[in-house]
Amino acid sequence: NAGVTQTPKFRILKIGQSMTLQCTQDMNHNYMYWYRQDPGMGLKLIYYSVGAGITDKGEVPNGYNVSRSTTEDFPLRLELAAPSQTSVYFCASSSGSGTGEYFGPGTRLTVL
Amino acid sequence: AQSVTQLDSHVSVSEGTPVLLRCNYSSSYSPSLFWYVQHPNKGLQLLLKYTSAATLVKGINGFEAEFKKSETSFHLTKPSAHMSDAAEYFCVVSDISGSARQLTFGSGTQLTVLP
Repeated sequence: NAGVTQTPKFRILKIGQSMTLQCTQDMNHNYMYWYRQDPGMGLKLIYYSVGAGITDKGEVPNGYNVSRSTTEDFPLRLELAAPSQTSVYFCASSSGSGTGEYFGPGTRLTVL
Repeated sequence: AQSVTQLDSHVSVSEGTPVLLRCNYSSSYSPSLFWYVQHPNKGLQLLLKYTSAATLVKGINGFEAEFKKSETSFHLTKPSAHMSDAAEYFCVVSDISGSARQLTFGSGTQLTVLP
């Protein structure tokens, strides 16, 4: 199993550009999550999904969109990048509520 | 609403000495609790989890944590620190009640291990 994979690993965007962060898991997990981690801070939940076709907002959803068309994939979309979105983004998955998440290696995004 | 407080932002120990990383939580329901470790420029790795079974939880790499409901604490310990333990550690609480399940992360404790 590859676990949770994320692409790209690094990206620099200009203000106003858009991009999609890819996340794939091969563990057949129903739950998937997107977090952001700002320097010196814990993780904050952006969006989560409890299964294909079902998504919901987390703590900091503004400026982001997600979709979940398959169990395996959970892409995160930034439509109009802003400097405040400079962060490290982690995707995670789990088999159920309270079981513990498996995290991807992260995507380091800089918006200039 | 749930919250997590990691009482120390930095902890420094000598190699071979015990490690104690402190965590207090607040949750309206019976929580699930986790400790994650993050090595520099790496993703998060699950160390251990508490999900209402035994209150003393054993994890990977010799780490343990004890759930104390009366103290609302979930401190992480290890009898003898190793250089490879140097990393950032996150205490996490999960609200498992209701449809809107969320993890709440503490702000992290940076562990330094001195030779």
